[in-house]
Amino acid sequence: GESVGLHLPTLSVQEGDNSIINCAYSNSASDYFIWYKQESGKGPQFIIDIRSNMDKRQGQRVTVLLNKTVKHLSLQIAATQPGDSAVYFCAENGAGAGGTSYGKLTFGQGTILTVHP
Amino acid sequence: GAVVSQHPSRVICKSGTSVKIECRSLDFQATTMFWYRQFPKQSLMLMATSNEGSKATYEQGVEKDKFLINHASLTLSTLTVTSAHPEDSSFYICSAWNRGRKLFFGSGTQLSVL
Repeated sequence: GESVGLHLPTLSVQEGDNSIINCAYSNSASDYFIWYKQESGKGPQFIIDIRSNMDKRQGQRVTVLLNKTVKHLSLQIAATQPGDSAVYFCAENGAGAGGTSYGKLTFGQGTILTVHP
Repeated sequence: GAVVSQHPSRVICKSGTSVKIECRSLDFQATTMFWYRQFPKQSLMLMATSNEGSKATYEQGVEKDKFLINHASLTLSTLTVTSAHPEDSSFYICSAWNRGRKLFFGSGTQLSVL
């Protein structure tokens, strides 16, 4: 079936480095993608989203890149801080805005980001 | 502040008892809410879609008689785990789309069944 997956289950970086977390998706109909951060024992926290009509979107210290040709999504975190240590999930909505399954996100397996001081 | 509130954050119960988890949208109305389940070191798996004023829609493999969902108002959805057993122990999370079309999650409920 359709799925969203991650290339790397763990990522360790030094404080101050830039981090890149990757995600592959298989549903070519996906038109909306979201990155979430989840700290231990907490619910996912929205980081940034991107729609399929864009290939790049920037937020505060974060950038999401979307390559629809190869169905690849990445999250770049600039100047990574210890507080960024968490599990990061990509999620996709394949039905499109307004569809009956709008909101039924499919999540990737997650990448554990560890930032060392 | 949080736009989706979930309660309780942690519950421990005996096998065979039922547990109710509440999910509230704080500053917006949510005709649809979603319930996810997450096992340790795993991703979120959608359990069901909660629809205000109508029956919930369950994902394949999720027992609707086991996981009762009630969405009686535009700001509240509840998930009741009936006759809980140790295998039901998990992290349960709800979510809802706000007016800005962003999906926000509750803080989650850690259920431990003894």
